[in-house]
Amino acid sequence: QKEVEQNSGPLSVPEGAIASLNCTYSDRGSQSFFWYRQYSGKSPELIMSIYSNGDKEDGRFTAQLNKASQYVSLLIRDSQPSDSATYLCAVTFYGQNFVFGPGTRLSVLP
Amino acid sequence: NAGVTQTPKFQVLKTGQSMTLQCAQDMNHNSMYWYRQDPGMGLRLIYYSASEGTTDKGEVPNGYNVSRLNKREFSLRLESAAPSQTSVYFCAILGLDRYQPQHFGDGTRLSIL
Repeated sequence: QKEVEQNSGPLSVPEGAIASLNCTYSDRGSQSFFWYRQYSGKSPELIMSIYSNGDKEDGRFTAQLNKASQYVSLLIRDSQPSDSATYLCAVTFYGQNFVFGPGTRLSVLP
Repeated sequence: NAGVTQTPKFQVLKTGQSMTLQCAQDMNHNSMYWYRQDPGMGLRLIYYSASEGTTDKGEVPNGYNVSRLNKREFSLRLESAAPSQTSVYFCAILGLDRYQPQHFGDGTRLSIL
């Protein structure tokens, strides 16, 4: 059973702080890693993808991947109240067997 | 969400009733998926279709049937609805590029009384 785990929430950070979201996965063969943001009552929307070890930055978001440790993280800098949502980690092997984590709920306090 | 259309958006059923959830895509993607999402449970795969004419079971297929009518459409049927099937159902699509993410429809919120 392929598993994806995320740090349990809810995670609360003050506005302007860095939010750190973590994800571990069990399948060493996983090749593609995604972070989705899901607002309450809405569908998941892709915010970051990462395929190689290291960091990938996109605006205020940075994804970090360490395949040896089977660990992927998402950092949100200068957190805003609009970042308050549930963040889902997804892991797949070349497009097959997408597995989603349970999600971490983030609250950014004004 | 552009590209993936789910109908209906909301539905209330009585136990034992049947219904079909529809999903249509206009992105010409091969793979289509049905998930259910329950509080604290994340997204759980019900069925998927890697291409027109093929379907496979996911993690939680019991109580559901699917039909991949053509490349555009993938439907999910509840033959005899049960309260345990109250959930939010999402359809997702995936292209051939193996590095692509899945893209989701807006969801169907289903309540079974």
